[in-house]
Amino acid sequence: GQNIDQPTEMTATEGAIVQINCTYQTSGFNGLFWYQQHAGEAPTFLSYNVLDGLEEKGRFSSFLSRSKGYSYLLLKELQMKDSASYLCAVRDRNYQLIWGAGTKLIIKP
Amino acid sequence: ETGVTQTPRHLVMGMTNKKSLKCEQHLGHNAMYWYKQSAKKPLELMFVYNFKEQTENNSVPSRFSPECPNSSHLFLHLHTLQPEDSALYLCASSQVLGSAGELFFGEGSRLTVL
Repeated sequence: GQNIDQPTEMTATEGAIVQINCTYQTSGFNGLFWYQQHAGEAPTFLSYNVLDGLEEKGRFSSFLSRSKGYSYLLLKELQMKDSASYLCAVRDRNYQLIWGAGTKLIIKP
Repeated sequence: ETGVTQTPRHLVMGMTNKKSLKCEQHLGHNAMYWYKQSAKKPLELMFVYNFKEQTENNSVPSRFSPECPNSSHLFLHLHTLQPEDSALYLCASSQVLGSAGELFFGEGSRLTVL
C-alpha cells in the first residue's frame, strides 16, 4: 500500500528553527507538496518539490531526496503565526495525491 | 470574491435529515474535489470532477451524493448520515486534473451528525 509518515506533533520556540520530516512509500512519484493549515482554515500551498534538492522560499525551505523517499520542511525564525498543521502529500504515478496525517506544530514564546 | 468558497461553514444534522454542502470556485479551474478530513487522519479523497464529469468515486457510501452543474460549482448532498460521518468536508480545485499544479482549498464545512 501507499503510505506517508510524518510526526503527529512538534513543539518549538519562537525565533528558533524547526524541521518537519516526511517519508513516503508510493507507487511512483510525480512530486511532493507541503501545505499549511491553521485551525479552522483551508490548507494553503507552501511548496512543491519534484527534483532532489532544496527549494527555498523566504523563511520556509523544502528538501527532497527521491532515492530515500524523504522530504523535510524547514521553518526558520519561527513566529507565533507559524503554529499550524503541516501536511505532506505525494503525487503518485497516476497523479493521485497521497496525504500524510499532518504534523501539528506548536510554537511557544 | 476570490478563491474557493464553501457554505455552510458549520452544519449540525440528525441522522434522518437531508442537507447539502456547496462549493464555488472563482479561479477558472476545471477540476474540483471533495475531501473528508477527520482528526489525526490523512485527507480522504471522496469525489473528483473534471470539466463537470465525475472521474472518481473513491468507494464513498451512497448516502453522499455529489453534483457538479458546471465547472465553478460543486455540491455534496447528504442524507441518512451516520455519526461517524462527522468531519470537516473540504472542497478543492485545480487548473487541470492530473497536472503538477497545486490544489486550492476552501475553508471547509464542519459537519456534526447527531
